Amino acid sequence: GQSLEQPSEVTAVEGAIVQINCTYQTSGFYGLSWYQQHDGGAPTFLSYNGLDGLEETGRFSSFLSRSDSYGYLLLQELQMKDSASYFCAVRRDDKIIFGKGTRLHILP
Amino acid sequence: GAVVSQHPSRVICKSGTSVKIECRSLDFQATTMFWYRQFPKKSLMLMATSNEGSKATYEQGVEKDKFLINHASLTLSTLTVTSAHPEDSSFYICSARDIAGGSGYNEQFFGPGTRLTVL
Repeated sequence: GQSLEQPSEVTAVEGAIVQINCTYQTSGFYGLSWYQQHDGGAPTFLSYNGLDGLEETGRFSSFLSRSDSYGYLLLQELQMKDSASYFCAVRRDDKIIFGKGTRLHILP
Repeated sequence: GAVVSQHPSRVICKSGTSVKIECRSLDFQATTMFWYRQFPKKSLMLMATSNEGSKATYEQGVEKDKFLINHASLTLSTLTVTSAHPEDSSFYICSARDIAGGSGYNEQFFGPGTRLTVL
């Protein structure tokens, strides 16, 4: 089966950098995705890593190490609007299975 | 990006009634859609995979007779919560993939969700 572990909560200061880690166990790995969800809203896709290394999209970057079954999401120049829950996810057959989510609190 | 709509956004019903939730892909065709359930401050729990023209595939522990799924066209899937009870109150979210674009199998587009409250 699949299992994903990520911290339940992270707190950071506006303007700073924060890293949200994710470790996974899965049979048949197709890559690691990250989603953002604001309270009351729908999840939105942030990034996908199919291969080892760093993928950068603006202020957000995502990293994957398949040998370590580990990835992270890096958020730079934090803004108050980045306060949300962040989910790592893996694909199982044609489905996507989500981690429990990390709630990011940003202090002014 | 691809757009998925969901209707209604909120519904309040009495215990014992049935509620239908619609999920539509607006600018792409989706042979497969997914239904999730989310409790407050919790993760998204996959309930079932909705396949156009065939029966839905339910995850372990999800009652298929209680959560009826119909995927009648390439742009519409419906979830009907039958004989709803207060414990069915939750946030129901659908999603779909646009195989032709984006990251293919690894990116899903979510509807805005339906907040169901059963009294």
